[in-house]
Amino acid sequence: GQQVKQSSPSLTVQEGGILILNCDYENDMFDYFAWYKKYPDNSPTLLISVRSNVDKREDGRFTVFLNKSGKHFSLHITASQPEDTAVYLCAAGGSGGSNYKLTFGKGTLLTVTP
Amino acid sequence: AQTIHQWPVAEIKAVGSPLSLGCTIKGKSSPNLYWYWQATGGTLQQLFYSITVGQVESVVQLNLSASRPKDDQFILSTEKLLLSHSGFYLCAWSLGRASQNTLYFGAGTRLSVL
Repeated sequence: GQQVKQSSPSLTVQEGGILILNCDYENDMFDYFAWYKKYPDNSPTLLISVRSNVDKREDGRFTVFLNKSGKHFSLHITASQPEDTAVYLCAAGGSGGSNYKLTFGKGTLLTVTP
Repeated sequence: AQTIHQWPVAEIKAVGSPLSLGCTIKGKSSPNLYWYWQATGGTLQQLFYSITVGQVESVVQLNLSASRPKDDQFILSTEKLLLSHSGFYLCAWSLGRASQNTLYFGAGTRLSVL
């Protein structure tokens, strides 16, 4: 089954607005959570990440919120800009054992309209 | 600065034909290396990882194999392509485990199997 799920395949927001991208996961052993950004015809790049010892991390207009009991994390983007238009991939990984796997969600296509 | 180069950029191959995709990382000693694959409309899936020369671990069985003949080189191959092998192949590297650290992706190879 899909271990990391993004329920919204797409989202549209007007420039300047606030938006929230959501991600749910199944594996209790996940303790690292990340959001990657992918422009068309480009590879994913890390946007922001958080470890499970905190429930929030902020970097400029981008904030990750982590709800471990709900197995949910989200990306909040404030003052959205047209250049934020991209596919956003959530990802999660665990630190146990010989775990070298980062599991991705299917992605949410965000469109910011002028 | 680290660079990651994937080749070829794109391939069109016949079912049953062999395949070899390559990836070279420059500017980083002994990185962890990964192959990811995304079918059209699908989720980015980790296929293989390697933490040292000559050692490769399989994550998902897709009738593909991988090898790491040099510290900076990662090869993905198969002797007989299937239609289901079509998609986008990404090579990536990380310092430390992908499950806990940033993944840096190459530009990818788009494979069409006909």
